[in-house]
Amino acid sequence: AQSVTQLGSHVSVSEGALVLLRCNYSSSVPPYLFWYVQYPNQGLQLLLKYTSAATLVKGINGFEAEFKKSETSFHLTKPSAHMSDAAEYFCAVSTGTASKLTFGTGTRLQVTL
Amino acid sequence: GAVVSQHPSRVICKSGTSVKIECRSLDFQATTMFWYRQFPKQSLMLMATSNEGSKATYEQGVEKDKFLINHASLTLSTLTVTSAHPEDSSFYICSALGGASRASTDTQYFGPGTRLTVL
Repeated sequence: AQSVTQLGSHVSVSEGALVLLRCNYSSSVPPYLFWYVQYPNQGLQLLLKYTSAATLVKGINGFEAEFKKSETSFHLTKPSAHMSDAAEYFCAVSTGTASKLTFGTGTRLQVTL
Repeated sequence: GAVVSQHPSRVICKSGTSVKIECRSLDFQATTMFWYRQFPKQSLMLMATSNEGSKATYEQGVEKDKFLINHASLTLSTLTVTSAHPEDSSFYICSALGGASRASTDTQYFGPGTRLTVL
């Protein structure tokens, strides 16, 4: 069984500030981990993924995430928030290729001036 | 690369009618597609896994006779909501698992979603 916990359903940061969105996972096998972003009334766009290679993963739009097995975490960060980063962010876990994804409940990121 | 489309993007129908939603992988072949449902301000809930040329696998609690899934080709899966009722109103999103070339085999690529409103 696998599960994802996203701490904080809503995060607000100032433009230019650090973005930190938390994700903890549970998996009985080595996990594949993903971060997706969803803008209003749209589908999901892949930001980045961890598939057992480098533990620090760089994605699009300046985002990155670090896989920490000891902490069962895969937190998403961005050094400097931009207004266009305001969206819903979902962390997801799967057990490998062709496996179904289990999503967290999502974190809404608000960026203020 | 790795683009997934859905059609229609929005549909409004009367209670009791059936609605078909198409999901297409535009630039890659996808042997596996997934259908999700998302209620307002909530996460995505997997409804079923669709494999080309075989019957779909439904998640627990999803009525297979109500949500008919067909995956007739490597680039097209359809979801038909039969005898729709207001409680079926939701945002339906499909994804396609990358098969090769333009799309990674370990990543799901999502469509833009279809908003269904049943009156």
